[in-house]
Amino acid sequence: EAQVTQNPRYLITVTGKKLTVTCSQNMNHEYMSWYRQDPGLGLRQIYYSMNVEVTDKGDVPEGYKVSRKEKRNFPLILESPSPNQTSLYFCASSLSRGLLNIQYFGAGTRLSVL
Amino acid sequence: ILNVEQSPQSLHVQEGDSTNFTCSFPSSNFYALHWYRWETAKSPEALFVMTLNGDEKKKGRISATLNTKEGYSYLYIKGSQPEDSATYLCAFSGGSNYKLTFGKGTLLTVNP
Repeated sequence: EAQVTQNPRYLITVTGKKLTVTCSQNMNHEYMSWYRQDPGLGLRQIYYSMNVEVTDKGDVPEGYKVSRKEKRNFPLILESPSPNQTSLYFCASSLSRGLLNIQYFGAGTRLSVL
Repeated sequence: ILNVEQSPQSLHVQEGDSTNFTCSFPSSNFYALHWYRWETAKSPEALFVMTLNGDEKKKGRISATLNTKEGYSYLYIKGSQPEDSATYLCAFSGGSNYKLTFGKGTLLTVNP
């Protein structure tokens, strides 16, 4: 089954404790992206990747890191989480790098930073 | 950060009504416009990707039009059903990068 898998689905952590949210897709997609969703602000893009070893900042990259060492995986890393990073996070992937194809979203990761 | 506006913010209609809402985006450097449907407690699901001025896409009772010169897209739902209740998001891609900027969505509630 074609899908985008995020883990964990729920996470509660404390300020400053490094964490990684994993994202994997099994569709051989080139484009992958991370978004955060906050009430009243909608979905905002954090980082995106157009292919292996190619990543770029979205609109809200501060406090996050990503890597794309393999085509299928695109982990989101919070080196020192802070309470303002409490949010609902979505990973998404798309066939082509040019955003001419639909994106498939993962189920979301709800993160709380205390 | 690009400005993508959706209106109205929310909408209540009766079952069987037809409805439409708007997505406005920058008219310069247009590349693609996406529409997504997002039900509560689920992930966004793609409806359409539109790239050409004058483009019209249809999926069942839902259709969308695109005007890149004036920077807007309309989403139409014909004969709304309670299962159409969701937030409808548009997202704009433009310029020389491949960022995708989402609007805040239109929350549609269809009453039986």
